[in-house]
Amino acid sequence: DAGVIQSPRHEVTEMGQEVTLRCKPISGHDYLFWYRQTMMRGLELLIYFNNNVPIDDSGMPEDRFSAKMPNASFSTLKIQPSEPRDSAVYFCASSRRGQQYFGPGTRLTVT
Amino acid sequence: DQQVKQNSPSLSVQEGRISILNCDYTNSMFDYFLWYKKYPAEGPTFLISISSIKDKNEDGRFTVFLNKSAKHLSLHIVPSQPGDSAVYFCAARELTGTASKLTFGTGTRLQVTL
Repeated sequence: DAGVIQSPRHEVTEMGQEVTLRCKPISGHDYLFWYRQTMMRGLELLIYFNNNVPIDDSGMPEDRFSAKMPNASFSTLKIQPSEPRDSAVYFCASSRRGQQYFGPGTRLTVT
Repeated sequence: DQQVKQNSPSLSVQEGRISILNCDYTNSMFDYFLWYKKYPAEGPTFLISISSIKDKNEDGRFTVFLNKSAKHLSLHIVPSQPGDSAVYFCAARELTGTASKLTFGTGTRLQVTL
């Protein structure tokens, strides 16, 4: 199995631009999670889906953040407009029962 | 408010010695605890876990201890090896939540020196 796939691995964008991060979960997994890693707060859960349905988006920081999961094999996290404080590493993870498997992350830099 | 806390941002240990990483939590509804290991430019990977009905779980060189009354868990690595150098995240699952939602700590960077 290829594991969780994320793209792009690195993204540099200017403040105000739209950013879209992509994730392909492990086949057969019914949970998908989006996390943000920062030095101050560690790994923060932004949102998670079960069977493509958003279950808990209480971690999404602002309305500028949105996430979709149109099917079982694809999810996006969009930031519009982006701000410098959004700079972080964003991880996608998937699970079927219990243990979560993480992708390699997308390092986002907003200048 | 951080419900899972790792108060030591970094730890340095000599090869062959014991590494002890600590984690404290505040939510008494947590029923399952995990440790993840993260290398640079990679995602976290699962290392070891423990249910709240146990106080110890061992897997090779790795042992996790849980003290429910103190709301404290620790990860012991014996003996430490240079390849153990990584960031270690403590995570906890809430009893009344859905099966898979985890709350993570801020991580502890372990460096194992020669």
